[in-house]
Parts: sequence; C-alpha cells; structure tokens
Amino acid sequence: EPEVTQTPSHQVTQMGQEVILRCVPISNHLYFYWYRQILGQKVEFLVSFYNNEISEKSEIFDDQFSVERPDGSNFTLKIRSTKLEDSAMYFCASSDQGQGVKLFFGSGTQLSVL
Amino acid sequence: KQEVTQIPAALSVPEGENLVLNCSFTDSAIYNLQWFRQDPGKGLTSLLLIQSSQREQTSGRLNASLDKSSGRSTLYIAASQPGDSATYLCAVCYNTDKLIFGTGTRLQVFP
Repeated sequence: EPEVTQTPSHQVTQMGQEVILRCVPISNHLYFYWYRQILGQKVEFLVSFYNNEISEKSEIFDDQFSVERPDGSNFTLKIRSTKLEDSAMYFCASSDQGQGVKLFFGSGTQLSVL
Repeated sequence: KQEVTQIPAALSVPEGENLVLNCSFTDSAIYNLQWFRQDPGKGLTSLLLIQSSQREQTSGRLNASLDKSSGRSTLYIAASQPGDSATYLCAVCYNTDKLIFGTGTRLQVFP
C-alpha cells in the first residue's frame, strides 16, 4: 500500500539553526500538509499546499517557516532559526483531493531543539 | 472558539469487550469528522471519515456515528483485541483545509 515517507525520523539541532524536514507524499496525491504535535498536546495544523502554493496556514506558521515542493516527489518544511518551543513531532500528510477525503500521514520527524 | 474534546482520556479493558470512545465539538457546523489511530512512534492512520450529511460509517469491527446537532461523535469498537491498543484521535474539518484534533483517548486492551 502506498505510504507517505518522512526523513529523518529524528533530528536534533541547536537553537538558532536551520532545519529542513523532508517528506515524500503518495505519488498521485495533489494536496500536501504539515502538522505538528508537541509532547502531551494536540496535533496542530501548520500549513496546506496545493498547486505549488500555500492554500492555508495557521498562526503558528510564521515567517520562520516555509514549505517547498522542489521536484515532483518531495515536499519540505524549513524552519529558518529554530527555537526551543519548535521541539515537536512534525507530521506530513497528503490526499488526492481537497477537503472531504481521508488524509494519509507519514510516521513523523521528531525534532529536538537544544 | 472551535474545540474538540475526547473522553475518556485513557481506557484499559480486557480483551473481548465492546468499547465506546467519545468526541465532542463546540461548533456543530462541521464539514466532516475523521477518526484516527496513532501508534507510538508512528504516524496517524485514518480509520473512518464521516461527512456532515451522514449519520454513521462502518469498517470491520469499527463503527463511528455522528450527531451534528448535539456536537458529538462516538467510535464503537466491537470485540476488542490487544492489537487495538493505541491512541484514538478525533478530528473535525470546518470547510477549510485544516483538521482540528482532540486530545485523544489512550486505549489499552489486555489479554
């Protein structure tokens, strides 16, 4: 069964450093998402992406965050200058249509900012 | 504010029991509702998706119901098994791209 893959599974970085989290969505999917889950808290929406542009973003997704689909298969989340509070599990998701269909999630990247 | 709440927060039951997990949402104008399963160290797996016009969805031993007017959904698990042990998340969509998640119910089924 097709799946969303995320790399790396764990990322440790120093505060102020840039990180790039990578995702390979399911190949025929057109809608892409990033969510995050801080330890012990709810899963939170960050951003959605369709047709090579951001379609929606949350208040969490400030200027420190950016997303990109650099080629036909990868979807990346960049955090320019990491803060301690960016430590979380980051999930990538994709779907073949917009709203109203199931989302397929990757297994996540655990980001630890020291 | 649109919020999603799940009760109980944790549940531990012997194998074979039928279970009901609850989800409530403050704004009843939902577009759809999904139930997910989350295993430790793994991603979220969508179990059932209910559109706002539907009352229930079934998949195997799982049945999800939706009462939009009262802002509630339930996930019914029949004949629970140890392999059902996981965290179950409810997520609501309000005609935007984002899902609003509940805090989850951590389920343990022991043999």
